[in-house]
Amino acid sequence: QVLLVQSGTEVKKPGTSVKVSCEASGFTFTRYSIHWVRQAPGQTLEWMGWIKTANGDTKYSQKFHDRLTITRDTSATTAYMELKSLTSEDTAMYYCARDDVNSYYFDSWGQGTLVTVSS
Amino acid sequence: DFVMTQSPDSLAVSLGETATINCKSSQTLLYNTNKRNYLAWYQQKPGQPPKLLIYWASTRESGVPDRFSGGGSGTDFTLTITSLQAEDVAIYYCQQYYTTPLTFGQGTKVEIK
Repeated sequence: QVLLVQSGTEVKKPGTSVKVSCEASGFTFTRYSIHWVRQAPGQTLEWMGWIKTANGDTKYSQKFHDRLTITRDTSATTAYMELKSLTSEDTAMYYCARDDVNSYYFDSWGQGTLVTVSS
Repeated sequence: DFVMTQSPDSLAVSLGETATINCKSSQTLLYNTNKRNYLAWYQQKPGQPPKLLIYWASTRESGVPDRFSGGGSGTDFTLTITSLQAEDVAIYYCQQYYTTPLTFGQGTKVEIK
């Protein structure tokens, strides 16, 4: 059974950073890329970037390029998303998702991590 | 960026009737080399992550009921839900994966009339 289990709710002050983890199980971690998608309250889904777990290559949406870092630990079968310089506009549910091999649609999703940015 | 526009924003359908959701891309999603349309559909229920329903515009994900079907090509696509059930109440999103940044439609909320 494919599972992506994310870390828990975060409350952050503006200007700080958040790091969310996504632990994978039930499949060969290094065969798939892991993406991060966020959803602000009442809004649509927004793709942030991905990491090729086999070699660590990353690609980020230009919108987040200077604030976002995606990493992975293959021994822990875990991917990480770190977002810096947080503002209230970063308040959202953050999801990790697995893509199908060589195709960027998402066949499995984590349960989501709520990140609230508030002073 | 590819802009994905869904219509309508919401619709109410009677149980057992058919719901049709449209998705229009600002650029073609048909890749000529393999003749595939890089378009997926997701269902999201309150408090849950999205669930993949359809990929390659018309291929149903394993386990998805056959009352869900996808169609279209190029820039215009549809998701059809025949014989609507109470458990189909959700928001539905289309997503293009032709190029990055990957982008989603704004969502269509399906309710029971």
